[in-house]
This record gives sequence, structure tokens and C-alpha cells, in this order.
Amino acid sequence: ELKLGESGGGLVQPGGSLRLSCVASGFSFSPYWMSWLRQAPGKGLEWVAQIKQDGSEKYYVDSVKGRFTVSRDNAKNTLYLQMNSLRAEDTAVYYCAGAALGYWGQGTMVNVSS
Amino acid sequence: DVVMTQSPLSLPVTLGQPASISCRSSQSLVKSDGNTDLYWFQQRPGRSPRRLIYMVSRRDSGVPDRFSGSGSGIDFTLKISRVEAEDVGVYYCMQGTYWPHTFGQGTKLEIK
Repeated sequence: ELKLGESGGGLVQPGGSLRLSCVASGFSFSPYWMSWLRQAPGKGLEWVAQIKQDGSEKYYVDSVKGRFTVSRDNAKNTLYLQMNSLRAEDTAVYYCAGAALGYWGQGTMVNVSS
Repeated sequence: DVVMTQSPLSLPVTLGQPASISCRSSQSLVKSDGNTDLYWFQQRPGRSPRRLIYMVSRRDSGVPDRFSGSGSGIDFTLKISRVEAEDVGVYYCMQGTYWPHTFGQGTKLEIK
């Protein structure tokens, strides 16, 4: 069964850091662009970051540039999102997705609050 | 950024009746290779989004054939030929032609 599973979310104070992970099982994600998206409580979807198959190209939405870093380890079938200098407005469910968003994880909640 | 505008934002539908959601982009989504990266997603309550349609009109595996996508350039439509109870949720269009990829506001489909 194809599956993506995120972890690493939680409660963090403003200015703090978190590292999200997303493990793919049931398929090899190395052939695919992979992405992180988020959904603030009661709001719509927002694309956060995207990384090419070999990690040579990365794209970020303006609101996270300089604070978030996307990376991947194809040998471990794992996608990462390092989030620094977190703000209240980063509070959301974070999803990983791949294959042109044909595959989605279940999401992990990030709550930035003092 | 490309703005994706959906209408209506709320869609009450009687079971068995058709439904239609419109999505308009602020600029043409046609890429240099002639393809158009326009997607439709369904998000049922409490669930992760699910891709229904890619490249305007290609239905994903397992998606019922009552769902169809159409359109070109800046105007796109998702149609459900006969709404069923399991179709309740929020529907999003998304453009993948330009970075950052952007979503519409979402259309909440409910049963009358």
C-alpha cells in the first residue's frame, strides 16, 4: 500500500524550531518531486515548499523563505522540513505530498504559541 | 502570484442532482509545452485532500466517472453529474504552471 506518514509536529513557542519528517512506504519516492503544504485551522490549502528528485532545485512560498528548509534522503525514502524562527501564523496542519500531489500524508499539526 | 478564484464558495445540492464549480485564474495556465497544470482536489471532513483531476480533465484512478473536469486558458470547471452523500466536503482547484503553485479558496459542497 502506498503511504506517506508525517511526524515531528507539536507545540512550539514563537521563534522556536521544529523538524518535520515524512516517510514514504509502499513505493520509492526518488522519481518524484516532493512537496510540503499546510492548512491553517479552518482555512484553505497553501503550498509551502517543493524539492526536485535529486534535491538540486527547491522552491518556497515567500512567507517561509529564509526560515524553512526542505530536504530529502532518497535512500531513506524520507522528506524533511526544517522550520526555524516560527511565527504564530505558521500554525497549521502540515502535509507532505508527492507525484504531483497524487499522494498525500495524513498531516501533522504544528502549533506556534506562547 | 497567480490568483485562483472559485465560485460558488458554498454549494448546497440535492442528492442525485448535478453540481458545477468554476475556477478562474488571473493568467493563462498554458505552459510552453502546451500542457495546462490545473488540478482539482476533494477534502472530506477531517481527511487529507485527495486529487480528483489533473491536467484539467484527466481523472485519477479510483475516482468515480461522475466527476469530470474541463476548461482551458483561464476558465475551468469541475462537474459532478449526480451528487452522492460521499461527495460532501470542500473542493479546491490548484494551478501548477507557475511557482508558487496556488489554490482557490475552496467550495464547500453540502447536501440540501
